[in-house]
Order: sequence, then C-alpha cells, then structure tokens
Amino acid sequence: RKEVEQDPGPFNVPEGATVAFNCTYSNSASQSFFWYRQDCRKEPKLLMSVYSSGNEDGRFTAQLNRASQYISLLIRDSKLSDSATYLCVVNLMTTDSWGKLQFGAGTQVVVTP
Amino acid sequence: ETGVTQSPTHLIKTRGQQVTLRCSSQSGHNTVSWYQQALGQGPQFIFQYYREEENGRGNFPPRFSGLQFPNYSSELNVNALELDDSALYLCASSLVDVGYTFGSGTRLTVV
Repeated sequence: RKEVEQDPGPFNVPEGATVAFNCTYSNSASQSFFWYRQDCRKEPKLLMSVYSSGNEDGRFTAQLNRASQYISLLIRDSKLSDSATYLCVVNLMTTDSWGKLQFGAGTQVVVTP
Repeated sequence: ETGVTQSPTHLIKTRGQQVTLRCSSQSGHNTVSWYQQALGQGPQFIFQYYREEENGRGNFPPRFSGLQFPNYSSELNVNALELDDSALYLCASSLVDVGYTFGSGTRLTVV
C-alpha cells in the first residue's frame, strides 16, 4: 500500500465550477500536511498547509480528517489557470528525517472554458 | 531573498556513467532534501542533509550519495547510472519545518 494515495484524475471542470478531491495517508503518526501544485514539467510549489481545524485561502479550502486519515482540497470558482496537478504531501516529522516529505502521485485538474 | 537554484537544468548521460547535480539553497535555509520524480509519479525522497550531515534517507541504493557544504549548498551524486534513473531531480531547502522551497529541478536522461 502506498503511503499517500490520490485519485489521479483527470478531473475535467468547467470554468467557474467547484471541484473537490481527497487523498489518504497510511501512517497515523503523520504530523504535517500540505497541498502542492505542479505545472507540467515544473517544480512543485506550495499551495497551502493543511491544519486540523481546516483552512481557507481565497478560493481554496483544505480539510484534514485525522480519524479517517484523509485530506481534502476544494477549489471554488475554478479558473483556467487552476489547471495543474495537485500533490498531496505528508510529513512524519520523525527525529531522524523530519524533512522527508511523502508525496502522492498527484491529481490532475483540467479547467475548460 | 534568492530561491533554490539547481544546475544543470537538463543532462543526458550514458548508462554506467556518473553524474553530479548541484543545488544552492534559499538564503538562511540550513536543510536540503533531494527528491526523484519519475514521469507520472510524485517525488520520492532520496535523502536530507542538515548542517552538512545526512539526516534521513529514503529507499535508494548507496550509489546515490550526497554532500552538503558549509554554505548549505548541496550535491547529489549518482554512480553507475541505470536507465531507470531517468527522472526529474528536485532539491528542496527549508529552515526546520518552516516550509519547503523547491528548485526547478534537473531533468536527467540516461541512454
């Protein structure tokens, strides 16, 4: 079983619509959670951290469910520029490798006019 | 504030050769991590360096090795290249857990 699993998509979304997707993680000891965005052939860029209480950044809302070990991302009022691969990232924060980010394979989102 | 820079951006090597990839971390960041991203996959953790010492390693063989220098820049060395080593190699720098900034990567092709 993979440590972080995501639906690869693609999620085809009309411009202006809402799209949401989840990722699940296997290690209940995971401490930090993030969503990264990756454009084709570019490096991942931090979209937002995910907190237990849930958090919002403009049109983006992230939720964490520790009991069920999943993280979600919701994008409202989708823009064409939101087309990208969204990577779910988990960090165990152990003392011997606190920088070891565990990535999902990504969920592709395609926003269409 | 400068970001993370990696060099070279693209590289083609022959199977069996050795390669060195370089990373200059973001100013003030004392931790560098290296990741391998194969096509269609998420990045996979190779190892991390903190204050010039390896501090954590992923599931990669010993022919993947690294260094971190006093100025926190870093190198990734891969010996005896295999075709499956073809990937995007990403360097990320951080200051403790205050976010991770990725460089634009080195795209390595092994032929």
